[in-house]
Amino acid sequence: NAGVTQTPKFQVLKTGQSMTLQCAQDMNHEYMSWYRQDPGMGLRLIHYSVGAGITDQGEVPNGYNVSRSTTEDFPLRLLSAAPSQTSVYFCASSYSPSGFSYEQYFGPGTRLTVT
Amino acid sequence: AQKITQTQPGMFVQEKEAVTLDCTYDTSDQSYGLFWYKQPSSGEMIFLIYQGSYDEQNATEGRYSLNFQKARKSANLVISASQLGDSAMYFCAMRERNTGNQFYFGTGTSLTVIP
Repeated sequence: NAGVTQTPKFQVLKTGQSMTLQCAQDMNHEYMSWYRQDPGMGLRLIHYSVGAGITDQGEVPNGYNVSRSTTEDFPLRLLSAAPSQTSVYFCASSYSPSGFSYEQYFGPGTRLTVT
Repeated sequence: AQKITQTQPGMFVQEKEAVTLDCTYDTSDQSYGLFWYKQPSSGEMIFLIYQGSYDEQNATEGRYSLNFQKARKSANLVISASQLGDSAMYFCAMRERNTGNQFYFGTGTSLTVIP
């Protein structure tokens, strides 16, 4: 199993550009999520999905879109990049959205810089 | 209100000593899980230990144990016999059934093990 994979590992964008961060998992997990990590702020939830075709907003969704057309993939789209979106982005997945006892598996992260 | 509070931004411990990292949580749900993750300087998120709200015994995983005090809503991580490789950020997280099993993370504690 590859686990949770994310691409790219690093990205530099100019203000106003758009891009998609890719996330895939091969564990047949129903629950997938995107976080951003900023110094001193822990991990903040951007969007999450409890299954194909179902997505919902987290704590900091503005400026980001997601879709979940398959169980495996959960891409994160930045619509018009801003310097405030400079961060490290983690994708994570977990078994069953109905079970609170399952841990999340994290991807390696994407370091995004917006200039 | 913060769901997860970690009040120690930084901690130091002598090699081979034990250290406790504090975590308090806020929930009115009866069904929830508590998790600890380690993030070394390389950036990946590593799951360490889980405690369920209905578990009567404190969780243990090797040198890691979770001191679960339900009435006080605390879930402190205890690392015994610290090693240099334990130097990392440590995040406490909670997953509640009532909020669709979303994960909530604390801001983390940076642990440095001194030789």
